Amino acid sequence: GESVGLHLPTLSVQEGDNSIINCAYSNSASDYFIWYKQESGKGPQFIIDIRSNMDKRQGQRVTVLLNKTVKHLSLQIAATQPGDSAVYFCAESSNNTNAGKSTFGDGTTLTVKP
Amino acid sequence: GAGVSQSPRYKVAKRGQDVALRCDPISGHVSLFWYQQALGQGPEFLTYFQNEAQLDKSGLPSDRFFAERPEGSVSTLKIQRTQQEDSAVYLCASHTGFSEQFFGPGTRLTVL
Repeated sequence: GESVGLHLPTLSVQEGDNSIINCAYSNSASDYFIWYKQESGKGPQFIIDIRSNMDKRQGQRVTVLLNKTVKHLSLQIAATQPGDSAVYFCAESSNNTNAGKSTFGDGTTLTVKP
Repeated sequence: GAGVSQSPRYKVAKRGQDVALRCDPISGHVSLFWYQQALGQGPEFLTYFQNEAQLDKSGLPSDRFFAERPEGSVSTLKIQRTQQEDSAVYLCASHTGFSEQFFGPGTRLTVL
């Protein structure tokens, strides 16, 4: 249950598999990137962030990869669980504007099958 | 609670009515953002406050939209003469600095 390189609006994986969610961004001046998780009826919830001077950052069960050359961002979720089912958004912002105004990408709906 | 709260959670308005949406940010958070989220899409920036100062309102769709934060804490987003295309979830977020934003649950506005 992985997709690499291509943004897909939906992704379905088996519980326990690894998930990869992709995102392309457009603004070369963006220097801060965030992944959010949004469950139904709730606001986006911060998962992990990365600054443009890094190409990889790891959290608990999550890893974000940044490829500035092709303006691509990915979120890897290890050992995906049913509670990971949600819509995932990447967002970009620039340190030079509005202290964090974020531009959100297209979301990916992750469904985890038990 | 310690999070961002928004009220009402749901609002139904007849076309042409005025509505006011409230956001209570996390105490001490200087920055406050409003976003609009249409069904099936990502949030889109509307406006930004630093304390009571509205520093960016470039995302407000029209002059029917107005936001304020008079004392640098609670903020209100007002929409005058609502139209059907205003139907969306309106999200408020706050943070202390440049990194993580904390979002409220949103207000779902339906204009009939």
